[in-house]
Amino acid sequence: NAGVTQTPKFQVLKTGQSMTLQCAQDMNHEYMSWYRQDPGMGLRLIHYSVGAGITDQGEVPNGYNVSRSTTEDFPLRLLSAAPSQTSVYFCASSYSSGGDYGYTFGSGTRLTVV
Amino acid sequence: KNEVEQSPQNLTAQEGEFITINCSYSVGISALHWLQQHPGGGIVSLFMLSSGKKKHGRLIATINIQEKHSSLHITASHPRDSAVYICAVGNAGGTSYGKLTFGQGTILTVHP
Repeated sequence: NAGVTQTPKFQVLKTGQSMTLQCAQDMNHEYMSWYRQDPGMGLRLIHYSVGAGITDQGEVPNGYNVSRSTTEDFPLRLLSAAPSQTSVYFCASSYSSGGDYGYTFGSGTRLTVV
Repeated sequence: KNEVEQSPQNLTAQEGEFITINCSYSVGISALHWLQQHPGGGIVSLFMLSSGKKKHGRLIATINIQEKHSSLHITASHPRDSAVYICAVGNAGGTSYGKLTFGQGTILTVHP
């Protein structure tokens, strides 16, 4: 089925470990973004990309890296995991067409850092 | 002060009731989105609004650009409508499609 695929769905890391959260979309959307969702904080933008080779920081970028080598993939890297990065992470892709645009979200990755 | 504020934070209703969730924002926007998230579930886009009103089934979304306010209405509510409803805005200008600013969400519980 077309959409946004996130892997893994669950992950437990030890403090200091690194890992990559994968995000892939098959809708040829130009725009992709990563958000984290924390209780009482709502969703916050980490990084976003407006096309292959172009990325920019969002509201809470520290401790995360991204790259966009293809239109389809937008991985999020945790460089050295910290307990403060325990959260649910959502990837989204979006399109713009004729003044209208829409978003498709992945199913989320629940990350626990111990 | 948050850029996007929703009210109420929690809402409990009986099946069949008419429900309204409000969203106010303080920044210039290109569009406003209403999203739905079921417990433990993913996020689904319900509406994208830049003006006026949209209707989909029992859901109606309106926006007043001058007042910087939007409402999401659910008619004839049902227990399956129980979810978190999130308002999000895309910032005005430039390539804003890739980034959203979110409200805190409204937790809706509909009892049979």
